Amino acid sequence: DVKVTQSSRYLVKRTGEKVFLECVQDMDHENMFWYRQDPGLGLRLIYFSYDVKMKEKGDIPEGYSVSREKKERFSLILESASTNQTSMYLCASSFAGGTYNEQFFGPGTRLTVL
Amino acid sequence: AQRVTQPEKLLSVFKGAPVELKCNYSYSGSPELFWYVQYSRQRLQLLLRHISRESIKGFTADLNKGETSFHLKKPFAQEEDSAMYYCATTGGGNKLTFGTGTQLKVEL
Repeated sequence: DVKVTQSSRYLVKRTGEKVFLECVQDMDHENMFWYRQDPGLGLRLIYFSYDVKMKEKGDIPEGYSVSREKKERFSLILESASTNQTSMYLCASSFAGGTYNEQFFGPGTRLTVL
Repeated sequence: AQRVTQPEKLLSVFKGAPVELKCNYSYSGSPELFWYVQYSRQRLQLLLRHISRESIKGFTADLNKGETSFHLKKPFAQEEDSAMYYCATTGGGNKLTFGTGTQLKVEL
């Protein structure tokens, strides 16, 4: 059973703080993804990684960075949190290869920036 | 770039009524289309993909390239179908582009 875990379900931070969101998967997936989920906007891809130390920008990378030092762990970093980054953040992972592989999602982290 | 449009934010139907969640896409190549679902307090998960031509939980979706649509249908809605549904596409590779989602509410 695929398991994608995220470090926190709820997080409250102040404007300007550096924020780390952690994601861990236990299925040896090559691909990992970070999305934000906002009402009326759906899911938007922030960054993804297809291998250790590899990363690629998604549709809305501004204000975010990522780190993938180990295959199972993908971190999302908000260098200086702002109120417009208040959102639900979803991590996902999938195998690589082939035309498409199902993405498995974590439970989400609801971040509030005050 | 591919784009997915889900015109309805909220769809409310009575139990036993037919359901159709609309999805239109724009992509110049050969798209792969998917429906993902998120039940209350659960993770987002894959419901079905067009290449499988499968029926999951009574839902089906047919890819209509002429109309660039991939509508999700179920003949008789059940209360447990209430959820947020996202249509998604990939233009190849493993990146997904999601629509804005439709909240389905099945009323008794």
